[in-house]
Amino acid sequence: AQSVTQPDIHITVSEGASLELRCNYSYGATPYLFWYVQSPGQGLQLLLKYFSGDTLVQGIKGFEAEFKRSQSSFNLRKPSVHWSDAAEYFCAVGFNQAGTALIFGKGTTLSVSS
Amino acid sequence: GAVVSQHPSRVICKSGTSVKIECRSLDFQATTMFWYRQFPKQSLMLMATSNEGSKATYEQGVEKDKFLINHASLTLSTLTVTSAHPEDSSFYICSAREGRGGGNEQFFGPGTRLTVL
Repeated sequence: AQSVTQPDIHITVSEGASLELRCNYSYGATPYLFWYVQSPGQGLQLLLKYFSGDTLVQGIKGFEAEFKRSQSSFNLRKPSVHWSDAAEYFCAVGFNQAGTALIFGKGTTLSVSS
Repeated sequence: GAVVSQHPSRVICKSGTSVKIECRSLDFQATTMFWYRQFPKQSLMLMATSNEGSKATYEQGVEKDKFLINHASLTLSTLTVTSAHPEDSSFYICSAREGRGGGNEQFFGPGTRLTVL
């Protein structure tokens, strides 16, 4: 069965430090890959997505993610974290099958320390 | 970009009453809409998939008689929580997709916080 794993439940990063959030998926083919961010009590905002092509994807707010087929991974990175980046981050995968919804990982909570 | 709205954003109701949540795609036609449920500090769990003009497909463990979904038009889907109980309190999020293809992006609404007293 398809699944998405975010190994880190909670990460704390100092403001200005770099960030990497991990995401691994289990699927026979290459799925469509997404990263979303959610602030407390809010909906989801799309940070970036990968459908095909260049495996390094640039997103909003200075985020980027790299698709590595050999590792079935789609890790999210940011070179310098800002306090406003503190939120919940979800990795999700979609499949090229009619009517299928995204499958979400359990999320990683990012805290930013000053 | 595509916008999905939800109404209401927050609702408090008494146990035993029914609550309707609306999900609208504002600037595109949503062939498919999805309803998710999110408990505090947890991920989104898919409840059902709704295709315009047909019955919703519910995920295993989701009571279709309790969570009524209607996708009457290409821009509106409703979720009705019938005879709500405190355990139904949760954050409900809808998403909409233009087209049936799984590769098409899903756009998410801002969510509805339901509290059942």
